[in-house]
Amino acid sequence: DSGVTQTPKHLITATGQRVTLRCSPRSGDLSVYWYQQSLDQGLQFLIQYYNGEERAKGNILERFSAQQFPDLHSELNLSSLELGDSALYFCASSPGLAGGQFFGPGTRLTVL
Amino acid sequence: DQQVKQNSPSLSVQEGRISILNCDYTNSMFDYFLWYKKYPAEGPTFLISISSIKDKNEDGRFTVFLNKSAKHLSLHIVPSQPGDSAVYFCAASISGTYKYIFGTGTRLKVLA
Repeated sequence: DSGVTQTPKHLITATGQRVTLRCSPRSGDLSVYWYQQSLDQGLQFLIQYYNGEERAKGNILERFSAQQFPDLHSELNLSSLELGDSALYFCASSPGLAGGQFFGPGTRLTVL
Repeated sequence: DQQVKQNSPSLSVQEGRISILNCDYTNSMFDYFLWYKKYPAEGPTFLISISSIKDKNEDGRFTVFLNKSAKHLSLHIVPSQPGDSAVYFCAASISGTYKYIFGTGTRLKVLA
């Protein structure tokens, strides 16, 4: 158990819908990262927040947005969902801006 | 363009022998590298990292070697144990950018 929690574990929705994925980092960690893992793909970095501020952006679509709240939990919002958005979404946290990250168990999103 | 490549999708090794997992990168600006292990239905677990100022880092049974001129790193596991059977991802980043580029993973199977 990494100490990072993600909810929900599974999510099934339809194209065009909007969903919110939630992540609680390890106690004391200030950085939160979001990753997408599609079938047969490696982990694709989406975005990083540090102490409430966006610090790095990867290949995140404009339909996706994220935020980190004052209590340091983070949410990833996915809108206008397409079939290709079906993937595992991982959240990770770390104490500082860089270094090894601790991953949550992931949320499996299925878009039908 | 895959900047971090793990060209071997899978590897089988006998218990007690050495496992060598390889990773190549194309961006010479990468200066920080990490290895993660992932079991099914779990998030990746951080194993070991190395900065480009070093060419070797050791932690118990795990050693990472970095060859900057060849843009190549490898993870050695000695001795391999059945519990090491998992998918191993290498990741690279440029200090100060906080973006992590992951390879597609190598599935290691340690045979008892």
